[in-house]
Amino acid sequence: DTAVSQTPKYLVTQMGNDKSIKCEQNLGHDTMYWYKQDSKKFLKIMFSYNNKELIINETVPNRFSPKSPDKAHLNLHINSLELGDSAVYFCASSRVGTGPLNTEAFFGQGTRLTVV
Amino acid sequence: ELKVEQNPLFLSMQEGKNYTIYCNYSTTSDRLYWYRQDPGKSLESLFVLLSNGAVKQEGRLMASLDTKARLSTLHITAAVHDLSATYFCAVVSNFGNEKLTFGTGTRLTIIP
Repeated sequence: DTAVSQTPKYLVTQMGNDKSIKCEQNLGHDTMYWYKQDSKKFLKIMFSYNNKELIINETVPNRFSPKSPDKAHLNLHINSLELGDSAVYFCASSRVGTGPLNTEAFFGQGTRLTVV
Repeated sequence: ELKVEQNPLFLSMQEGKNYTIYCNYSTTSDRLYWYRQDPGKSLESLFVLLSNGAVKQEGRLMASLDTKARLSTLHITAAVHDLSATYFCAVVSNFGNEKLTFGTGTRLTIIP
């Protein structure tokens, strides 16, 4: 079984459309994340949820809205897509979101979003 | 804001040679992670370093952490082609909200 799974793997869409990416983890982790990897391979955190509560919200356009229906799922909805949104989006999860313990993150396979 | 820098950004080396990738970070941390990413693939966790002086080894890769110098190294011994990938270090600051901040990545190419 895949530990962190995202769908879809590829997403090609036109500017102005609204799209969603889904993520599920079966590791029993409390914390889930969305990262964006640009064309230069830089990885930047976008959001983090701990037990369905938003704990990290980086400087991301409000067209991006995460939703966590339960601690095993974290979806990303993007409104009014722009060319600059093209990137690979990674979902990840970790065991603990706070405290001095291991925060090793496990990543999904990524969603390659192309806006045309 | 925590900054994490890796060098070199690109590394091309011959099989059988040794080399080291460096990861410097700008704030107090005793949690550092190394990841590997193959082209078009996800990130795979390689090492978790949780204290000053921590050293971990797996095959031809060895990672170490010096929290006083705010430096981690990833040493490659007798490189083989299968090690070609992009390697990232990532750091969690001791202050703040448990955010994992990634370095710029080192794209490693092993030439036969």
